Amino acid sequence: QSVLTQPPSASGTPGQRVTISCSGSSSNIGSNTVTWYQQLPGTAPKLLIYSNNQRPSGVPDRFSGSKSGTSASLAISGLQSEDEADYYCAAWDDSLSGNVVFGGGTKLTVL
Amino acid sequence: QVQLVQSGAEVKKPGASVKVSCKTSGYNFTSYDINWVRQASGQGLEWMGWMNPDTGSTGYAQKFQGRVTMTWITSISTAYMELSSLSSEDTAVYYCARGVGNTVVTIEYYFDYWGLGTLVTVPS
Repeated sequence: QSVLTQPPSASGTPGQRVTISCSGSSSNIGSNTVTWYQQLPGTAPKLLIYSNNQRPSGVPDRFSGSKSGTSASLAISGLQSEDEADYYCAAWDDSLSGNVVFGGGTKLTVL
Repeated sequence: QVQLVQSGAEVKKPGASVKVSCKTSGYNFTSYDINWVRQASGQGLEWMGWMNPDTGSTGYAQKFQGRVTMTWITSISTAYMELSSLSSEDTAVYYCARGVGNTVVTIEYYFDYWGLGTLVTVPS
């Protein structure tokens, strides 16, 4: 049972816009910034979005993040086949002396 | 370029301990935290804890307290994660990841570089 809640799956066709939600609480998303990671099949996770909506160098601007209250969203526009991956949200949680909490992950399928 | 190179796969008996290494390069080792995250097959990411080689501080997820120890050797820019009293439920890929943190009003903390992972298998 993950602290942050994500839908287990999402799908879209090439060119479409897809959003993935991430729901938390006042001790994590409500208080701190949200990070998104992309994990391609068989590989290590990769930083996709940090500080709610910032993209590291090299991440296409098709990927965007937002946060409102205790929820966050990742949007992928102009969906491409290489976007098929697992996506995880994460945040620092102020409870229990502090720790990083993850969502359960969303498997994105490009149809 | 920043690199985190992890040690090879391990097979351990139930009750034993495992120690995974993470050799870093391409940056000042003491300027960033190292975190450990694990992932069981087909499952999500699970944060285990962090270590700060500059301050000497560590922080462990409650689930692993008493069973995990994170250490490092600054002279060789290498971090270690030791997990004891292994059971089949500890079978997973263990990742080290560089932690970046900023605290102003809110806590911004994320992992910008990851190792490739180390598979630890504990047969039941």
